[in-house]
Amino acid sequence: GENVEQHPSTLSVQEGDSAVIKCTYSDSASNYFPWYKQELGKRPQLIIDIRSNVGEKKDQRIAVTLNKTAKHFSLHITETQPEDSAVYFCAATIDSGTYKYIFGTGTRLKVLA
Amino acid sequence: ETGVTQTPRHLVMGMTNKKSLKCEQHLGHNAMYWYKQSAKKPLELMFVYNFKEQTENNSVPSRFSPECPNSSHLFLHLHTLQPEDSALYLCASSQDRTGRSTDTQYFGPGTRLTVL
Repeated sequence: GENVEQHPSTLSVQEGDSAVIKCTYSDSASNYFPWYKQELGKRPQLIIDIRSNVGEKKDQRIAVTLNKTAKHFSLHITETQPEDSAVYFCAATIDSGTYKYIFGTGTRLKVLA
Repeated sequence: ETGVTQTPRHLVMGMTNKKSLKCEQHLGHNAMYWYKQSAKKPLELMFVYNFKEQTENNSVPSRFSPECPNSSHLFLHLHTLQPEDSALYLCASSQDRTGRSTDTQYFGPGTRLTVL
């Protein structure tokens, strides 16, 4: 079936460094790719998204890039801060009659002060 | 933070109990979703409702029974669950006017379910 692979599963960076999380999807028809941040004990919250007609999108310290040919997309966080510590999930849409998200397995990011 | 609410936040039940989870969205959305989140596994979609009609059942065991009386409320009725059903159950909603939309999904805080 369709799936989304996400790497790495855990990532530790020093405060101020950059963090990159990568996802690969299998359905070439996927056209929307959201990223969610989930802090411990809290709900997943959308932090950035990108549609298939765009190659890159940036929002302050967060950016997402999309390579449709290779079917992968990445989350980039610059100047990381301790409050960036959380689990990050990528997702890609598939159409099986109903549009739905297929999620990656998540990346636990730890920003060390 | 109050756009999608879920109750209860925590639930402990025995395998013979019957309980229900409730989700309510105040965003004027038309689509609602149930997800299961287990440790070290991706978020698993369980059910999708669009305009109160179920449009997706992701091969979920019949001991989970969803109900969507209107576009703002979604229930998940639980009976004779197994210990492996212990997980965080998340509700989400999206605008989804057409049923074929990639509108952003907004999540509730989840119900942490423990089955003894």
